[in-house]
Amino acid sequence: GDSVTQMEGPVTLSEEAFLTINCTYTATGYPSLFWYVQYPGEGLQLLLKATKADDKGSNKGFEATYRKETTSFHLEKGSVQVSDSAVYFCALFSSNTGKLIFGQGTTLQVKP
Amino acid sequence: NAGVMQNPRHLVRRRGQEARLRCSPMKGHSHVYWYRQLPEEGLKFMVYLQKENIIDESGMPKERFSAEFPKEGPSILRIQQVVRGDSAAYFCASSPSSGGYDTQYFGPGTRLTVL
Repeated sequence: GDSVTQMEGPVTLSEEAFLTINCTYTATGYPSLFWYVQYPGEGLQLLLKATKADDKGSNKGFEATYRKETTSFHLEKGSVQVSDSAVYFCALFSSNTGKLIFGQGTTLQVKP
Repeated sequence: NAGVMQNPRHLVRRRGQEARLRCSPMKGHSHVYWYRQLPEEGLKFMVYLQKENIIDESGMPKERFSAEFPKEGPSILRIQQVVRGDSAAYFCASSPSSGGYDTQYFGPGTRLTVL
């Protein structure tokens, strides 16, 4: 079945460091791909999305490119801030099943 | 434009009691989804509903759990005779019926604690 795999955390970075959180997926068909962010004690917020191969989603300095050849959707940011500390979830929406399938989440801690 | 609303935000129940969780989707959204998040884990799909219809409940435990989305009013996730293992955060999401139906917007969640 469809699945999403994220790199394990926690990821600890200093402020202004470069961030990469890896995400790979397995799916039949052509899923839409998403990154959601969850701040402590809150719900999930949509960070960015991409709906087809080679699309790049971007928001608030974060970017991810839909790579069909490597079945990946890695999240990147050039310079992280303390306020970016949160849990990041990669997800895919399968039009076959109508379901949103999540990775296990990656905790990011940014230290001043 | 209000987002997805859930209440209560925190709910404490004793074993054997009932828990009712409410979700009001975003305005104009007719699809509602419920997810459960156990500590240190990702979100697991439970059920997908449209107005007055359960579309997919493949992620819902067969016993004690039920969900509805009536013609009027919020969607309700009901857990009967709660047990300690039901302690989790329950999130509701909604999406439009067309033009971006693949994008779900989440509420703040209800954190259920079973004593």
